[in-house]
Amino acid sequence: AQSVSQHNHHVILSEAASLELGCNYSYGGTVNLFWYVQYPGQHLQLLLKYFSGDPLVKGIKGFEAEFIKSKFSFNLRKPSVQWSDTAEYFCAVKATGRDDKIIFGKGTRLHILP
Amino acid sequence: NAGVTQTPKFQVLKTGQSMTLQCAQDMNHNSMYWYRQDPGMGLRLIYYSASEGTTDKGEVPNGYNVSRLNKREFSLRLESAAPSQTSVYFCASTTSGGYNEQFFGPGTRLTVL
Repeated sequence: AQSVSQHNHHVILSEAASLELGCNYSYGGTVNLFWYVQYPGQHLQLLLKYFSGDPLVKGIKGFEAEFIKSKFSFNLRKPSVQWSDTAEYFCAVKATGRDDKIIFGKGTRLHILP
Repeated sequence: NAGVTQTPKFQVLKTGQSMTLQCAQDMNHNSMYWYRQDPGMGLRLIYYSASEGTTDKGEVPNGYNVSRLNKREFSLRLESAAPSQTSVYFCASTTSGGYNEQFFGPGTRLTVL
């Protein structure tokens, strides 16, 4: 069964700093990968997704992620964060060709200082 | 379109009481999911349904039952609530195969005393 590990539980950055949030998955086959964001008091929204093709995926609000198959990783990046990026970020994985199960990581709480 | 709706938004139960959380989607999605969100634990999959008439266990199914009533509705039942089930519950749906974005409901905040 697939699983997801997010290394950073809580990250604090100043505005304009660069961001990288780690995500590693465990599954031997082909996967679909997702990053979701949950702003305070809101439900989850999709930031970006990877299905196939170019391993560098661009999402909304200036976020991007790179799929590195050899490292089983799908790290989220943003060159310059804003105060409005304060939120919780979740990585998720789905094993392709199998059931419809989508598994989430434990999340990373990001706090941006103004 | 309302997207994914959940009722109720808040609920307080006593230990041993039962209740059903309702979820409905109007996007003609085949796949539906129930997650619970706890601090430091992320979202954990309770049950999911790939299509009408089918349900499967997720990561933490114990203490819960589900019903895929029709294509639109997917309910979660707690037969005998326990304090460990205090959580925020999210319903989600997506197109067949789970290859696309999941759309989430607003959540139900459940407290079991």
